[in-house]
Amino acid sequence: SQTIHQWPATLVQPVGSPLSLECTVEGTSNPNLYWYRQAAGRGLQLLFYSVGIGQISSEVPQNLSASRPQDRQFILSSKKLLLSDSGFYLCAWSVGLAGNEQFFGPGTRLTVL
Amino acid sequence: TQLLEQSPQFLSIQEGENLTVYCNSSSVFSSLQWYRQEPGEGPVLLVTVVTGGEVKKLKRLTFQFGDARKDSSLHITAAQPGDTGLYLCAGEYAGGTSYGKLTFGQGTILTVHP
Repeated sequence: SQTIHQWPATLVQPVGSPLSLECTVEGTSNPNLYWYRQAAGRGLQLLFYSVGIGQISSEVPQNLSASRPQDRQFILSSKKLLLSDSGFYLCAWSVGLAGNEQFFGPGTRLTVL
Repeated sequence: TQLLEQSPQFLSIQEGENLTVYCNSSSVFSSLQWYRQEPGEGPVLLVTVVTGGEVKKLKRLTFQFGDARKDSSLHITAAQPGDTGLYLCAGEYAGGTSYGKLTFGQGTILTVHP
């Protein structure tokens, strides 16, 4: 069966510090991978998605970047965090077939102080 | 930009009552999913609908996809406190270059009181 991991689960960082959030998927090959940000109790905003190694599409201009160094690894980064980067970050995967069902990780709660 | 308008944003009901959550758009979607999310966790997929007019049932939950594939509804019968959570609809736009991407509604926060 497929599983998706995210770490860390929670993170408190000062403004201006770097960021690295990691997401890995097990039990599937060549998945589509996604990074979302969610405001408290609201819908999800797509930040980045990837259909293969080294292939990254950015959805919104922002202070963040993403990389996919391996087939089942997706990393969200920032060189200098802003207060507005605080939020709940979710990684998801799909197999890209009809229906595009996406399966989410447990999320990372990021607080920038 | 394809938008999904979800309503209501908040719903507070007593155990045993029925409720319906709506998801509407002016765009056609090739598929639509409903997710449920608990605080501090990732969303969990409940159902996917792909055919216009399709109805799916999951115990006390009934999901419907509009005939024109522009809207969907989630109906819960005899709600229980365990149904409490954030419900999200999400659709894959049928046109353009949106392959593999989902558009999410704003979510409905449901609270069922014992």
